Amino acid sequence: DAKTTQPPSMDCAEGRAANLPCNHSTISGNEYVYWYRQIHSQGPQYIIHGLKNNETNEMASLIITEDRKSSTLILPHATLRDTAVYYCIVRVSASNYKLTFGKGTLLTVNP
Amino acid sequence: DTGVSQNPRHKITKRGQNVTFRCDPISEHNRLYWYRQTLGQGPEFLTYFQNEAQLEKSRLLSDRFSAERPKGSFSTLEIQRTEQGDSAMYLCASSGASGRETQYFGPGTRLLVL
Repeated sequence: DAKTTQPPSMDCAEGRAANLPCNHSTISGNEYVYWYRQIHSQGPQYIIHGLKNNETNEMASLIITEDRKSSTLILPHATLRDTAVYYCIVRVSASNYKLTFGKGTLLTVNP
Repeated sequence: DTGVSQNPRHKITKRGQNVTFRCDPISEHNRLYWYRQTLGQGPEFLTYFQNEAQLEKSRLLSDRFSAERPKGSFSTLEIQRTEQGDSAMYLCASSGASGRETQYFGPGTRLLVL
């Protein structure tokens, strides 16, 4: 699976959009981009995933650049409960097992 | 609640003791995964099952670790002769049959070895 690079930390004001970047310059054509988050002392929570088109669900939006070498997770109206470590993971579509987590980005939402 | 459940949530043990953790996956999921997470790091893959078959084991899974899924439903992870370095959060996840299926995680079992 391709390696990802994320900033170690970011801050966001409550009510504002949080934009979390991820670089995956070595991504292959059959690799998906997954986002999980982990609130302190809890298990990782699935957020969203995509291949090449932008995706949106009730939690977030995922914007993938046309060359697929980077993506951005957008939380449109961040709340204090969105404070967590956010992991960007690239996963081969045919892969049927492990997710390879990096250290992620600690997003702190401030009041 | 129909999510992944894990028991116990916390375990404190003395070095050298054996411990066993249980994971109950989402009922229709036939794939089950174990991960370990140490402080400040992301989760690391340990092993996974498809139904009752254990199909992959990480080199992190030393011979003191054993995982089972006898009837293809719940799974257990046993650590024998625990060491202080085994202190970590042990996470279980499950997914459906397709290779693209999303993995959903349980709350984890936090182990502290004294």
